[in-house]
Amino acid sequence: DTAVSQTPKYLVTQMGNDKSIKCEQNLGHDTMYWYKQDSKKFLKIMFSYNNKELIINETVPNRFSPKSPDKAHLNLHINSLELGDSAVYFCASSQQGANEQYFGPGTRLTVT
Amino acid sequence: AQSVTQLGSHVSVSEGALVLLRCNYSSSVPPYLFWYVQYPNQGLQLLLKYTTGATLVKGINGFEAEFKKSETSFHLTKPSAHMSDAAEYFCAVSDTGRRALTFGSGTRLQVQP
Repeated sequence: DTAVSQTPKYLVTQMGNDKSIKCEQNLGHDTMYWYKQDSKKFLKIMFSYNNKELIINETVPNRFSPKSPDKAHLNLHINSLELGDSAVYFCASSQQGANEQYFGPGTRLTVT
Repeated sequence: AQSVTQLGSHVSVSEGALVLLRCNYSSSVPPYLFWYVQYPNQGLQLLLKYTTGATLVKGINGFEAEFKKSETSFHLTKPSAHMSDAAEYFCAVSDTGRRALTFGSGTRLQVQP
């Protein structure tokens, strides 16, 4: 069983569209994250949720909106997509008291 | 604020040679330190972590790292490189207050036959 899963793995869309990426973890963790990896492989935190509560919201355009329906799911919705949003988006999870994070396989978003 | 510096964006070694990937961190509080590996088109896999206790940490696939507070370093080593070790390696830092990871810029390891 996959610990942290993301769908879709690849997403190609046009500028101006709205898209969502879904993430699920079956590890029983209480905290989930979204990271963005740019074309130079640099990874940066975007959001973090703990038990469905937003705890980290980095300097991310408000076109990006995370939603956590329960502590096992954290989805990322992106409005009005721009060329600069093209990247690989990784979901991760961790448990309070243990700082290591477990990552999903990533979603490669290409905006044309 | 926390930061991580990985010296050398590309490292090339021969198969069987020592692997040394350098990582220096900056943190105003006691850090938690991690090394992750990313194979092409895959997610990040945890290699090893330092939280508290023993400063020499052993991880998977024969890798280990030593936490040196005086040098603010957490270098990753492996005595003998294998072709399958070719990948991108990321050093990362977090702490109890800010649980999100701050990553270094990554080091691509090439292993020559």
